[in-house]
Amino acid sequence: QKEVEQNSGPLSVPEGAIASLNCTYSDRVSQSFFWYRQYSGKSPELIMSIYSNGDKEDGRFTAQLNKASQYVSLLIRDSQPSDSATYLCAVTGIAGGYQKVTFGIGTKLQVIP
Amino acid sequence: DTGVSQNPRHKITKRGQNVTFRCDPISEHNRLYWYRQTLGQGPEFLTYFQNEAQLEKSRLLSDRFSAERPKGSFSTLEIQRTEQGDSAMYLCASSLENRQEIFGPGTRLTVT
Repeated sequence: QKEVEQNSGPLSVPEGAIASLNCTYSDRVSQSFFWYRQYSGKSPELIMSIYSNGDKEDGRFTAQLNKASQYVSLLIRDSQPSDSATYLCAVTGIAGGYQKVTFGIGTKLQVIP
Repeated sequence: DTGVSQNPRHKITKRGQNVTFRCDPISEHNRLYWYRQTLGQGPEFLTYFQNEAQLEKSRLLSDRFSAERPKGSFSTLEIQRTEQGDSAMYLCASSLENRQEIFGPGTRLTVT
């Protein structure tokens, strides 16, 4: 079982719609959760972090965390063509006394104008 | 520019040659990480420094790979006797303690 699982997509949504990106993780002691956006050929860019159960909103982005279900999601409201990118879920877990970050393979989002 | 910088941005080398990449983290960040990313995959952890100490090295990292952070500031990643399978984007990230990691632009390596 992979430590962090994401559907690779592509996920296609029309402009203005809500895009819902999902991620599950296997390590129950994971503490921190991040969403990174990565445009083709570029490096990952942090867009959201969440540390406790519930929702966290930042502009058009909402991260949701459910530790009991080992599930984290990212909602993008009013999707724009510029949101088209790969979204990486990242999870930290304790490994040898420090927090190792494990990434999923990323979900490719396509926002159709 | 106060972000993470990496040099070179692109490197083309022939199989069997050695290559070295440099990463300059955000100045106040004490942690530095190296990742490798291939097409269609997420970044894969290679190694991690806290200040000048290399605290963790992935089992995936062969003996041909070595990383240093001699003064706790910039870091270098060297690959000896490169193989075609080493072709990838090599990403450096830094953080302040266990806060979120900030990535540099990456070095794209092509081994011919």
